[in-house]
Amino acid sequence: QGQLVESGGGVVQPGGSLRLSCAASGLTFSTYAMHWVRQAPGKGLEWVAVISYDGSRKFYADSVKGRFTISRDNSRNTLYLQMNSLRTEDTAVYYCARPYCGGDCGSHTFDHWGQGSLVTVSS
Amino acid sequence: SSELTQDPAVSVALGQTVRITCQGDNFRTFYATWYQQKPGQAPTLVMYGNNDRPSGIPDRFSGSISRDSASLTITGAQPEDESDYYCTSRDSSGNHVVFGGGTRLTVL
Repeated sequence: QGQLVESGGGVVQPGGSLRLSCAASGLTFSTYAMHWVRQAPGKGLEWVAVISYDGSRKFYADSVKGRFTISRDNSRNTLYLQMNSLRTEDTAVYYCARPYCGGDCGSHTFDHWGQGSLVTVSS
Repeated sequence: SSELTQDPAVSVALGQTVRITCQGDNFRTFYATWYQQKPGQAPTLVMYGNNDRPSGIPDRFSGSISRDSASLTITGAQPEDESDYYCTSRDSSGNHVVFGGGTRLTVL
């Protein structure tokens, strides 16, 4: 079945930076695009970013573009989200998610999700 | 980017049928996917490709789509179906994923 495990969350002041990691085990990672999705406390799901399987293409939600950077290390089966210039509205649980199909299938159907990592931006 | 609109809350009597809808013009081009989320848990996939169920999802769940909306129907709702449900699709560029605002389902 495999799993995704996020880490790196915590409390940071506005304007600060944080890097999240998502480690994949027991499932194919290197041939699948990967996504970050977040959920503010008591709110709905919000898509954050996607990276292609080879890292050559990246897309971001308008709310994080220019501040967040998605990357991956296929040799380590790990996905990253570098978050800079953090704002209070970035406070959320951040999930990594893998589509059910690999390559360039362009799917928004995620059959694997991590347990989430809480990021709190507060002074 | 395109938006997906869901009713914030829906209720259904135990054993009855409920339809959860998601409105948006995305579905003219891209299929709908539905996720179920229980409190404190990550979302789980319940429907994709408009009407395909992952293994382990009961057949009381079904999906449908029209030109400008998608629906998730639960026929014979059970207490364990009480959850938040989110629809998702792609925006017009195809590069961004879009989530609906979510529907909280209460089983009475």
